[in-house]
Amino acid sequence: GAGVSQSPSNKVTEKGKDVELRCDPISGHTALYWYRQSLGQGLEFLIYFQGNSAPDKSGLPSDRFSAERTGGSVSTLTIQRTQQEDSAVYLCASSSGLAGGTGELFFGEGSRLTVL
Amino acid sequence: QQQVKQSPQSLIVQKGGIPIINCAYENTAFDYFPWYQQFPGKGPALLIAIRPDVSEKKEGRFTISFNKSAKQFSLHIMDSQPGDSATYFCAAKKPAGKLIFGQGTTLQVKP
Repeated sequence: GAGVSQSPSNKVTEKGKDVELRCDPISGHTALYWYRQSLGQGLEFLIYFQGNSAPDKSGLPSDRFSAERTGGSVSTLTIQRTQQEDSAVYLCASSSGLAGGTGELFFGEGSRLTVL
Repeated sequence: QQQVKQSPQSLIVQKGGIPIINCAYENTAFDYFPWYQQFPGKGPALLIAIRPDVSEKKEGRFTISFNKSAKQFSLHIMDSQPGDSATYFCAAKKPAGKLIFGQGTTLQVKP
C-alpha cells in the first residue's frame, strides 16, 4: 500500500478483554513504532522495532502490553485484560531506518480503543 | 522520564500572526529535531526538521530556531492561516532511530 495501514480503526471492548491492534507498515521500511495518544495528550512511546535487532520495549506501560513484528513487516500490539485507562488512540509509524537521516516517521491514522 | 518538554499546551492567534512554540530537551544524544503537524483524525506528519549543528532552518512559512547551548528549539509560523490550525509536536531523534515527542501544542488561527 501507499501508506501505513492500521486496523481496526475503532475498537470498543469491555474491561478485562484482550485486544489486538494491527499495523501494516510501508513496504521496505525497516523501522516500526507504536505510540499511544490519550485525549488531549502527547505521543507516548510504546515500542520500537528496527530490522532484526531486539525491540526497544522501554515504553510499554505494563506487562499487559506486548507487541510482535512478523517477518519484518506486519506488527500486532496486544493488550491483555484491558483497563479503562488503556482507552486511547494507538498510532503506528514506520520509517526507512536509514542511519543519520531525519528518521522521518510515516504514521497511520491510528486505532481508537475504548474500554468500557 | 520526559526528555522533551513543549510549551505552550495551546495557542490562539489571529490570521497573519506569528505563533511560536518552544521545546527543550534534556539529553544531548539526539541527532535530529523534527516537528510534526497533526490534523484531527489523522496521524502526525513531518513538517520540518533541523540538525543540531544548524541554528536556523526555514521552509516556506515555517522556521525552526535551534539553540544548542541552551538545549532549546522553537517553531515559528509566519503569516499564519486558519489552515494551520492543528496540533504541533516537537521531537528529538536518537542516533539509533528512536523518536521522543513533546506533549504537543494545539494551535488555533482565527480568521
